[in-house]
Amino acid sequence: DARVTQTPRHKVTEMGQEVTMRCQPILGHNTVFWYRQTMMQGLELLAYFRNRAPLDDSGMPKDRFSAEMPDATLATLKIQPSEPRDSAVYFCASGLEGTTIYFGEGSWLTVV
Amino acid sequence: AQSVTQLDSQVPVFEEAPVELRCNYSSSVSVYLFWYVQYPNQGLQLLLKYLSGSTLVKGINGFEAEFNKSQTSFHLRKPSVHISDTAEYFCAVSDRGGKLIFGQGTELSVKP
Repeated sequence: DARVTQTPRHKVTEMGQEVTMRCQPILGHNTVFWYRQTMMQGLELLAYFRNRAPLDDSGMPKDRFSAEMPDATLATLKIQPSEPRDSAVYFCASGLEGTTIYFGEGSWLTVV
Repeated sequence: AQSVTQLDSQVPVFEEAPVELRCNYSSSVSVYLFWYVQYPNQGLQLLLKYLSGSTLVKGINGFEAEFNKSQTSFHLRKPSVHISDTAEYFCAVSDRGGKLIFGQGTELSVKP
């Protein structure tokens, strides 16, 4: 089965460290999303790309977060420097424009 | 702007009983509607979706949902639940551009 692959699955890091999360979308999908899930805020859209171009990153704290798609098979989400309030599950999802999107298993981040 | 309201944060139910998880949305444009399920410590899995056509949509695991445009609702139902249906359920709306806006989730707890 085709699936969205995320790495790392789990990450514990110290405050101030850089964190990079990676996502391999399903082959052929032209839209990639980054969501963050916390108990307090639920599922929040951080950013999304279509054909590798950023369409909307209004949900992302600009001072410390950055998202890129170096190529069609890789999306990255970087936090620098990380803070305890960034502790969450980060989901990558991919889809074709206007149709169902499919989620990865998530990257579980803990910043201590 | 679009929004989704899941009317119940928690729904406890006994095994083999019917269940309805309520979802209302607001949007100024035509939308696609989705239900996703999240089992503990896992990603989101698509249960069913409404894109167009018949307003009664059948999904996996015996779930179905009905799109009601006049009431802007998309309630999820199952006639007889199992212990294994215990999970978090998310309703989501898309403006056909692909971006999903999620509700806060409903925790379904099935008791023996």
